[in-house]
Amino acid sequence: DQQVKQNSPSLSVQEGRISILNCDYTNSMFDYFLWYKKYPAEGPTFLISISSIKDKNEDGRFTVFLNKSAKHLSLHIVPSQPGDSAVYFCAAQRAGTASKLTFGTGTRLQVTL
Amino acid sequence: NAGVTQTPKFQVLKTGQSMTLQCAQDMNHEYMSWYRQDPGMGLRLIHYSVGAGITDQGEVPNGYNVSRSTTEDFPLRLLSAAPSQTSVYFCASSYRGGRGTQYFGPGTRLTVL
Repeated sequence: DQQVKQNSPSLSVQEGRISILNCDYTNSMFDYFLWYKKYPAEGPTFLISISSIKDKNEDGRFTVFLNKSAKHLSLHIVPSQPGDSAVYFCAAQRAGTASKLTFGTGTRLQVTL
Repeated sequence: NAGVTQTPKFQVLKTGQSMTLQCAQDMNHEYMSWYRQDPGMGLRLIHYSVGAGITDQGEVPNGYNVSRSTTEDFPLRLLSAAPSQTSVYFCASSYRGGRGTQYFGPGTRLTVL
């Protein structure tokens, strides 16, 4: 039972263009969502998050959008840079469970020159 | 700060052997967790701890034991290794009020033959 889904295993985008990574969830008890970035042979690093009381959160080139009614969130990267090439994981959390994250399967982003 | 450290980086075991994966953090985080990452599966929670002396099971706890005698350390023990436990293991820590922003170690790649 995959409660957090990332249906696109990979995405290729040209440098300077927008990258859009999608994530869907099924558990309506999730109230906090995070994106992590992972390079090969390293641990995931936190990128950006959003609370369920918001529908958008922006941090520099990274923006996360949340559509609660559709149980869908997306990460926008504008403009995309070659250093953004990595695997991106969507994660979700229920209230009061800060030590427990439910992760999606990841999307490998490749930014080409 | 070293952050979250994990040892060893790589390990090869034979079926039936036991071993302990070490995890330490120097950020005084209350929460610590163990995840495993498998191809096409994302990261799945094995065990977690909300403080010294307190541990609980995650999504995939079978075959693993944990204990937390200090705030800094959270070792993961494989009791009798099986090929199904071949994976990359990540330890993570977070503040009690950190709303899921977990900090990950670099991982241990384990192969069970």
